[in-house]
Amino acid sequence: DVKVTQSSRYLVKRTGEKVFLECVQDMDHENMFWYRQDPGLGLRLIYFSYDVKMKEKGDIPEGYSVSREKKERFSLILESASTNQTSMYLCASSLEQTQYFGPGTRLLVL
Amino acid sequence: AQKITQTQPGMFVQEKEAVTLDCTYDTSDPSYGLFWYKQPSSGEMIFLIYQGSYDQQNATEGRYSLNFQKARKSANLVISASQLGDSAMYFCAMRRRNTGNQFYFGTGTSLTVIP
Repeated sequence: DVKVTQSSRYLVKRTGEKVFLECVQDMDHENMFWYRQDPGLGLRLIYFSYDVKMKEKGDIPEGYSVSREKKERFSLILESASTNQTSMYLCASSLEQTQYFGPGTRLLVL
Repeated sequence: AQKITQTQPGMFVQEKEAVTLDCTYDTSDPSYGLFWYKQPSSGEMIFLIYQGSYDQQNATEGRYSLNFQKARKSANLVISASQLGDSAMYFCAMRRRNTGNQFYFGTGTSLTVIP
């Protein structure tokens, strides 16, 4: 079975803090993705990566950056957290067709 | 531009009955993939079923089937014999090859199964 894990299920941070969300997959997948999910908006792609050290902007990259130093790990970074980044963050990985998701991180920025 | 449209924000179905969740998509690519995911209240997105644009037959996975009508650009999910555990959010998604396998998701449909 594909296993995608995320470092935290719930996270509370203060405005201005630097926040790291970690995602690890154990299936040697090339592709990894970060989404945020908000009610009524579905899933929106923040960044994705097709290979180590490679990244591409998704639909809403502003306020975020990513890092992929190893194939199995894809990190999402909020350089200076703001209240409008309170959301559910979902990581996914894929080899060819299907994306497999982690359990999600619910982030609250106060 | 909206690429995936799910027009039903909420649906109710009686236990043991069948239900259809609607999904329409927009693409001019000849090659694409269509997916359905289930998201229970726990938050994890669970892959349910996949349909390729060149597949001649509708995809089926257990109680799930995908009603693929290419000319209408629709990919409706049919759940047969609904169970209480089917209560969840359901998302339709499309993968377009010419955008580097990027996925596009709809806004979801909340399904509630009534005992």
